[in-house]
Amino acid sequence: DAGVTQSPTHLIKTRGQQVTLRCSPKSGHDTVSWYQQALGQGPQFIFQYYEEEERQRGNFPDRFSGHQFPNYSSELNVNALLLGDSALYLCASSFFGGEGYEAFFGQGTRLTVV
Amino acid sequence: AQSVSQHNHHVILSEAASLELGCNYSYGGTVNLFWYVQYPGQHLQLLLKYFSGDPLVKGIKGFEAEFIKSKFSFNLRKPSVQWSDTAEYFCAVMDMEGTYKYIFGTGTRLKVLA
Repeated sequence: DAGVTQSPTHLIKTRGQQVTLRCSPKSGHDTVSWYQQALGQGPQFIFQYYEEEERQRGNFPDRFSGHQFPNYSSELNVNALLLGDSALYLCASSFFGGEGYEAFFGQGTRLTVV
Repeated sequence: AQSVSQHNHHVILSEAASLELGCNYSYGGTVNLFWYVQYPGQHLQLLLKYFSGDPLVKGIKGFEAEFIKSKFSFNLRKPSVQWSDTAEYFCAVMDMEGTYKYIFGTGTRLKVLA
């Protein structure tokens, strides 16, 4: 059983560009959350998708947007990249209503903005 | 606003020493509590979790944590650390009364000297 998979694993973009990160949830999971982990910091909640809709959003600008597809996979889009967007982006999947609503994390996408 | 505090940012121990990492959170409602470990270059791995019941929980690799509700604390302990425990440790809280998102502490970087 595959866990949470993210692609790509590493990415380098230039300031002002746009980027799309992808996440496939663990089998049986219907909820996907995205987190940003800057260097030396704990992960920060960006948003959560359930039933193809954004259910919760953290304190991130509108440049960060997402999407969830009918197969529960998800994308994170970041427009007008800034140097400060360089971070590890983590996807976490869970089953809404599952035990403890526990989420499982992917290995992350390391985004570097130059 | 909900927050999680990890008091020790950097800890250096010799092998066989005992470990205790502090974690306090600010939220008055029902929470689930987690400790994650991140080895260099690797993704977040769950060490242990508390949902309900016995406040002393045991996790993988000999780690344990105690939930003290009156102190809003969930400290991580290990009686005897090994060199392989060198990693970054994150405490996380999940609000169980609506958002179901994780709030992470800033992490504690542990270095164990052989």
